[in-house]
Amino acid sequence: SQTIHQWPATLVQPVGSPLSLECTVEGTSNPNLYWYRQAAGRGLQLLFYSVGIGQISSEVPQNLSASRPQDRQFILSSKKLLLSDSGFYLCAWSVSGGKMNTEAFFGQGTRLTVV
Amino acid sequence: DAKTTQPNSMESNEEEPVHLPCNHSTISGTDYIHWYRQLPSQGPEYVIHGLTSNVNNRMASLAIAEDRKSSTLILHRATLRDAAVYYCIKAAGNKLTFGGGTRVLVKP
Repeated sequence: SQTIHQWPATLVQPVGSPLSLECTVEGTSNPNLYWYRQAAGRGLQLLFYSVGIGQISSEVPQNLSASRPQDRQFILSSKKLLLSDSGFYLCAWSVSGGKMNTEAFFGQGTRLTVV
Repeated sequence: DAKTTQPNSMESNEEEPVHLPCNHSTISGTDYIHWYRQLPSQGPEYVIHGLTSNVNNRMASLAIAEDRKSSTLILHRATLRDAAVYYCIKAAGNKLTFGGGTRVLVKP
């Protein structure tokens, strides 16, 4: 069966420090991969999605970046965190293809607090 | 690309059905309609999805309007565990773009 791993579960980082969040998927090949952010009390905002290795689409301009060095690995990074980067970060995957005719699976999220 | 429109919140009594409306008037012919729900401090959980026909699964039913500009998620018998934020999503291509969702409160 397929599983998605996301870590760490919680993170407290000072302003200006770098960030690296990792997400890996098991049990499937060539998945679509997604990074979302959820600010406190708000809905989910799509940050990045990827349909293959090295193929990253950015949805919202900001000081975050994403990379996909391996088929089932998706990394969210920042060189210098801002207070506004605090939030609940979620990784997700879905079966590849041009249409969302199957469900997406979400990780348990990383709660990031920038202080 | 407009998102979907949902009521902010709804209340239901336990053991009664819940009908959650969603407006997606800008939907295109190939966009799927997805529903997810989210409990506090957890990732969203898939509920159901469809394209044109009504869909049923063990969790819920999805009724899609004939013109596909709206849909309704039906929870047949609400339980306390169904209390969550429910998101209706118009899935364009490979993307799931979330809107504000509906917070469902279930009263015992």
